[in-house]
Amino acid sequence: AQSVTQPDIHITVSEGASLELRCNYSYGATPYLFWYVQSPGQGLQLLLKYFSGDTLVQGIKGFEAEFKRSQSSFNLRKPSVHWSDAAEYFCAVGDNTGGFKTIFGAGTRLFVKA
Amino acid sequence: DADVTQTPRNRITKTGKRIMLECSQTKGHDRMYWYRQDPGLGLRLIYYSFDVKDINKGEISDGYSVSRQAQAKFSLSLESAIPNQTALYFCATSDSSGFAGELFFGEGSRLTVL
Repeated sequence: AQSVTQPDIHITVSEGASLELRCNYSYGATPYLFWYVQSPGQGLQLLLKYFSGDTLVQGIKGFEAEFKRSQSSFNLRKPSVHWSDAAEYFCAVGDNTGGFKTIFGAGTRLFVKA
Repeated sequence: DADVTQTPRNRITKTGKRIMLECSQTKGHDRMYWYRQDPGLGLRLIYYSFDVKDINKGEISDGYSVSRQAQAKFSLSLESAIPNQTALYFCATSDSSGFAGELFFGEGSRLTVL
């Protein structure tokens, strides 16, 4: 079955420091991969997505992610974190069996310290 | 106004009560979903609907039912609420005419079952 693993429950980084959030997936074919962000009290918003082509994808708010098939990973990065980036981040994989559905990881909560 | 609207935003109820969570959307999407969010578990799919006449169970449908009253409306019911259904519930939509993967979320309905 398709699954997504986010190994870090929470991460704390200093404002201005770089960020990398890890994501590993299990999927039999070429995956559709996503990163969503959830700010406190809000629904989820798409940051970026990967279907095919260039393995480095750019998203909103200065985020990027790199698809590495050999490692079954899709890690999210940002070169310089801002306090407003504090949120929960979800990696997800698209499951196309029986109609397209999205399977989410457990999430990583990002704390940003001044 | 939000594109995906959930009501109520917060609800406290007692064990055994029937509860309905409603979702309406103005995005014109034909696909609608109900997810449940629990800390440390991410989002899990309860039910999904690809059009008005199509209803499908997700991974955790037991204890829940849904109704797709119109393209724009998708409601989730708990026939007899129990405490372990205390969670944050999200409605989401997606568009099948283009890439069906991106989900658009409501702001969530927080349900507490005492």
